[in-house]
Parts: sequence; structure tokens; C-alpha cells
Amino acid sequence: DQQVKQNSPSLSVQEGRISILNCDYTNSMFDYFLWYKKYPAEGPTFLISISSIKDKNEDGRFTVFLNKSAKHLSLHIVPSQPGDSAVYFCAASGWSDNQGGKLIFGQGTELSVKP
Amino acid sequence: DAGVIQSPRHEVTEMGQEVTLRCKPISGHNSLFWYRQTMMRGLELLIYFNNNVPIDDSGMPEDRFSAKMPNASFSTLKIQPSEPRDSAVYFCASRYYPSGIPSGNTIYFGEGSWLTVV
Repeated sequence: DQQVKQNSPSLSVQEGRISILNCDYTNSMFDYFLWYKKYPAEGPTFLISISSIKDKNEDGRFTVFLNKSAKHLSLHIVPSQPGDSAVYFCAASGWSDNQGGKLIFGQGTELSVKP
Repeated sequence: DAGVIQSPRHEVTEMGQEVTLRCKPISGHNSLFWYRQTMMRGLELLIYFNNNVPIDDSGMPEDRFSAKMPNASFSTLKIQPSEPRDSAVYFCASRYYPSGIPSGNTIYFGEGSWLTVV
């Protein structure tokens, strides 16, 4: 039973264009969301996050949008660069969870940015 | 600063053998996670510890899997006996919790242990 879902296993975009990666969640108790980036043969690295009190967080070329009513978040990369080619994982956590806020990840979306 | 250190990086073993994966979390961190990466389920949480105590092991596939954290700087994930379907990349991650701020939920991953069971 996947609480965090990334329905697109792959995405291909042209260099310079916008990349939009999507994520849906089912648990309304989640209140903190993160995106991780993973290159082959490496561990995932933290990219950007957003708490449920916000609907947008921006860091350079990366922006995360949160739609709580739809239980949906997205990661926008503008402009996309070939070095952004990687697998992107969405994760969700219940900060208020008194068990320590475990992170639940989605299946990942493989982004390919073509020159 | 040293990150999360995992060993071995690669392991090839025969079905039925015992496999032990090791993890050293970032110094000062008190939460440790074991994840398994598969194509179908992405990063699947197996178990996590807070202050060396297992909090949630509901993701552990079956009794063949066990995890321990004898102290704050070391954890093991053991598979006995191993089966071909256990072949995957196993990641360890750590964080400091509670940090008092929501961003304290950011966890830091090791480079993974690539397990192949033949």
C-alpha cells in the first residue's frame, strides 16, 4: 500500500525547458515533504523540502509546490540542464508523529535532460 | 565531515548464505534508517531506530531479516538465509532528531550496499 506515489517512472525534456515531476500522497497526517536526487551508484541526496504550512518553496532553479487539498506536490526545474539527469524521489513525513517522523518515499522518476 | 558509511559496497553471495550489511551513521546523529531500493517500490523503509531503539520494523520483509543497533555509531542488517529475491541496493541513512525544526526531518544517505544473491 503505497502512501507516496510517483506515477511517472520516467520523463524526458530538452535542455533549457522546464521539468515537472509529480508526486501524490494519501496520508493526510503528512506535514513535511522532501525531494531527493539520485545518481547511479550513489546514495540519494537531499534537494529541497516544504512544510505543510506553505504552498511553495524555491531554491534557485528548483521550486516545490504543495497542494494539500489534492494531496499533490510537484518539483519544477527551470531551466533544465543535462546534469539534472537523475532519479528523483519524493518523500513525506509526519513531523507531529511522536514516533520520530519516519520518511516514506515514492518509487522515483527518472529524468533525462537532452542537450 | 564523514557521511554515512556503509559496507560492503558490493556483495555477491549464494542462496542460503548469511549476509550482514553494516552502517556507521553521521557522528552526532541519533536516528538511523535502513531502506531497500527496488524498481517496483522505490525506496522501501525496512526499519528505523531512534536513540538505538527500534521504533518501527513493519517494513522488514520477513523473519529472515533482522537489524540491530548496539550503539550510536553502528548498525547491522542481517539476512539469514538469503534468497535471490533479496537482491537489491540497501541504503542506510541517519539524522539528528528531534532538532526542534521541521527541516530536522532531512535524512542523509550512505552510498548503499549492492547485494546480489545467486
